[in-house]
Amino acid sequence: SQTIHQWPATLVQPVGSPLSLECTVEGTSNPNLYWYRQAAGRGLQLLFYSVGIGQISSEVPQNLSASRPQDRQFILSSKKLLLSDSGFYLCAWERTSLGYEQYFGPGTRLTVT
Amino acid sequence: AQSVTQPDIHITVSEGASLELRCNYSYGATPYLFWYVQSPGQGLQLLLKYFSGDTLVQGIKGFEAEFKRSQSSFNLRKPSVHWSDAAEYFCAVGGPYYNQGGKLIFGQGTELSVKP
Repeated sequence: SQTIHQWPATLVQPVGSPLSLECTVEGTSNPNLYWYRQAAGRGLQLLFYSVGIGQISSEVPQNLSASRPQDRQFILSSKKLLLSDSGFYLCAWERTSLGYEQYFGPGTRLTVT
Repeated sequence: AQSVTQPDIHITVSEGASLELRCNYSYGATPYLFWYVQSPGQGLQLLLKYFSGDTLVQGIKGFEAEFKRSQSSFNLRKPSVHWSDAAEYFCAVGGPYYNQGGKLIFGQGTELSVKP
């Protein structure tokens, strides 16, 4: 069966510090991968998606970046965090063979102080 | 433009009562429709999906949803709500996107509270 992991689960970082969030998927190959952000009391905002190694599409211009160094690994990064980067970050993988349904990881709660 | 509207931000129902959460969508092609549930501090769990065929779809935890093309709606229902159903519910629409894999468009969510 397929499993998606995210770490860390919780992170508190000062403004201006770097960020690295990791997402890995097990039990499938060549998935589409997604990063979302969920601000308090709001819906999901798509940040990045990837259809293969090294292929990243950005949905929203911001100080965040994403990379996919391996087939089942998706990393969200920032060189300098802003207060507005606080939120709940969700990674998801997509089983394209079954019609675009996405499966989400447990999320990372980021607080920028 | 593609969009999903969940008109109700917050709904409160009594335990044992029936539930209907509304979802309206705008999508330029045949939509793939989804309902997800999110408990506090957790990721999203897929409840059910509609791709084609029978317009009434059954999901996990006793939920069902009905696709009505004429009304551009995909409402979620449950005949009898349990206290453990208290959570946030998201409707999503998706499909092929620039031929590079699907992309889901989410509604803003409906928070469900359950009274004992």
